[in-house]
Amino acid sequence: KNEVEQSPQNLTAQEGEFITINCSYSVGISALHWLQQHPGGGIVSLFMLSSGKKKHGRLIATINIQEKHSSLHITASHPRDSAVYICAVLGPPSNTGKLIFGQGTTLQVKP
Amino acid sequence: KAGVTQTPRYLIKTRGQQVTLSCSPISGHRSVSWYQQTPGQGLQFLFEYFSETQRNKGNFPGRFSGRQFSNSRSEMNVSTLELGDSALYLCASSSPGYGEQYFGPGTRLTVT
Repeated sequence: KNEVEQSPQNLTAQEGEFITINCSYSVGISALHWLQQHPGGGIVSLFMLSSGKKKHGRLIATINIQEKHSSLHITASHPRDSAVYICAVLGPPSNTGKLIFGQGTTLQVKP
Repeated sequence: KAGVTQTPRYLIKTRGQQVTLSCSPISGHRSVSWYQQTPGQGLQFLFEYFSETQRNKGNFPGRFSGRQFSNSRSEMNVSTLELGDSALYLCASSSPGYGEQYFGPGTRLTVT
């Protein structure tokens, strides 16, 4: 079993829909990243969070440390949101750079 | 501030050869991590350097090595290349104590 599991693996949505991607992990962590990867390979960090909730534009990320679960929500989805979304956890201690990655969720938003 | 840069962006090598990839972190960042991405295994941690010292290492054979220079630039080397080493190699830098990582564009290595 992978230490970081994401669901769903693939997601197709219509423009405007509300989207949720889930991430569960089985290891102790100091923080969790949500990353976005577009075709061509570049990775952008969307959020890093260790508790509660963060919001940036139409993106919202939440984490429940007790349940070892995080969600990424996209409101009013748009075709430009089409990408691979990757959950990655940073194991303690928090100052070491070892990320453990989920398998990624491929999102396609159709106009 | 300039982002993380990686050179070269694309590379084609033959089995048995060796390769060196370079990563320049964001100015002021002292931690550099390297990752390998393949279609089969996804993203996997290779190693992390901080202040010229390897601080953490993933589960890769000894053919994979790295180093960091005093200006925080880092290189990784793969010796005796195998077909399975074909991958996107990403580096990421972070500032001390914060943890958020900023990724470079990657180097796509093809081994024939």
